[in-house]
Amino acid sequence: KQEVTQIPAALSVPEGENLVLNCSFTDSAIYNLQWFRQDPGKGLTSLLLIQSSQREQTSGRLNASLDKSSGRSTLYIAASQPGDSATYLCAPPSAGNNRKLIWGLGTSLAVNP
Amino acid sequence: DAGITQSPRHKVTETGTPVTLRCHQTENHRYMYWYRQDPGHGLRLIHYSYGVKDTDKGEVSDGYSVSRSKTEDFLLTLESATSSQTSVYFCAIKGADQYNEQFFGPGTRLTVL
Repeated sequence: KQEVTQIPAALSVPEGENLVLNCSFTDSAIYNLQWFRQDPGKGLTSLLLIQSSQREQTSGRLNASLDKSSGRSTLYIAASQPGDSATYLCAPPSAGNNRKLIWGLGTSLAVNP
Repeated sequence: DAGITQSPRHKVTETGTPVTLRCHQTENHRYMYWYRQDPGHGLRLIHYSYGVKDTDKGEVSDGYSVSRSKTEDFLLTLESATSSQTSVYFCAIKGADQYNEQFFGPGTRLTVL
């Protein structure tokens, strides 16, 4: 059974810092892993989808890496801004059923001006 | 914008009444999902659909039913709403390819009194 852990649960940093958010999962037989962002009271926005054949995927100041063998993915945020404040969620597919995603509880990020 | 709308966006109802939430997509995606999100639990899958009239249960399906008579619409019904079903409900879509991303709708906030 796929289980997802995200560390840290909460993070507060000053503007401009580079950040690393961690995601661990138990079943490494995955095709891909998706990172999302959720603003308070809002829906989820897909940030990055990283395929199992890739080691990294980049979008602007965001960079996601995937290490299937160790069951880890990281989301790197460069030069953080107050607008990056949100909850970040990672979601690998369910073990044996890639139609479904399994969710961590997320990392709540606050970037202070 | 993944072309997903949810209706209603907010609803207050009383215990024991039936409630139907609608998810509508404009991009002909094969997969559609209903999730609920509650503090401390993260996102939990209720039901999903992999085609017209093809649905399957998620991890928290008790008390919920779904229907998909058209590709573009996925309905979630609470036959007899209970206070434990007070939550934010999200619809999501995904293409048929295993490498496709999931995209989310804006959510429906349901309060059962």
